[in-house]
Amino acid sequence: AQRVTQPEKLLSVFKGAPVELKCNYSYSGSPELFWYVQYSRQRLQLLLRHISRESIKGFTADLNKGETSFHLKKPFAQEEDSAMYYCALQNNNAGNMLTFGGGTRLMVKP
Amino acid sequence: GAGVSQSPRYKVAKRGQDVALRCDPISGHVSLFWYQQALGQGPEFLTYFQNEAQLDKSGLPSDRFFAERPEGSVSTLKIQRTQQEDSAVYLCASSPGQGHYGYTFGSGTRLTVV
Repeated sequence: AQRVTQPEKLLSVFKGAPVELKCNYSYSGSPELFWYVQYSRQRLQLLLRHISRESIKGFTADLNKGETSFHLKKPFAQEEDSAMYYCALQNNNAGNMLTFGGGTRLMVKP
Repeated sequence: GAGVSQSPRYKVAKRGQDVALRCDPISGHVSLFWYQQALGQGPEFLTYFQNEAQLDKSGLPSDRFFAERPEGSVSTLKIQRTQQEDSAVYLCASSPGQGHYGYTFGSGTRLTVV
């Protein structure tokens, strides 16, 4: 069975500090992983996907198959980064159903 | 429309009442998903449609939950005889098709069963 774990419910950092939101997964196939973000009073939206190897709003995430991790990183946090972040794993054998982690609330203090 | 539209935004139901939640996906999106998000948790999969075909309903928690998408566009999630544990945000998402697109989510319907 596939599973996504985000060990931190809350992460609080000061503006300008580095940020790392942890995500670990278990999946028997070749994983497709995503990060979704939900800002206050907004809908859940795609932040980035691992296959694109992109940097969005200064965030990057590298898939580490050896450690089964997909941690989200940003070198210098901004106050506008405060939001809920969800890591998600796509099941390619079931349409493209996503399994989500429990989420991490990032608070960036001024 | 430009995005995924869900209605109503909020629904309060008395225990035992039936409810119907509507999702209007992005025009032309083949895939449609329903998720349930309890307070403080991540979204959990309920069911998946490809056009009008319901290909996976393994996440529906009981036979009180029923979803349909008869013409391959608008979808309705129906919950019969609601119970307090059904209180959650119900999210709808659509995607152009299979592949690495990610989803576009609606704003959700917050259901409170009293």
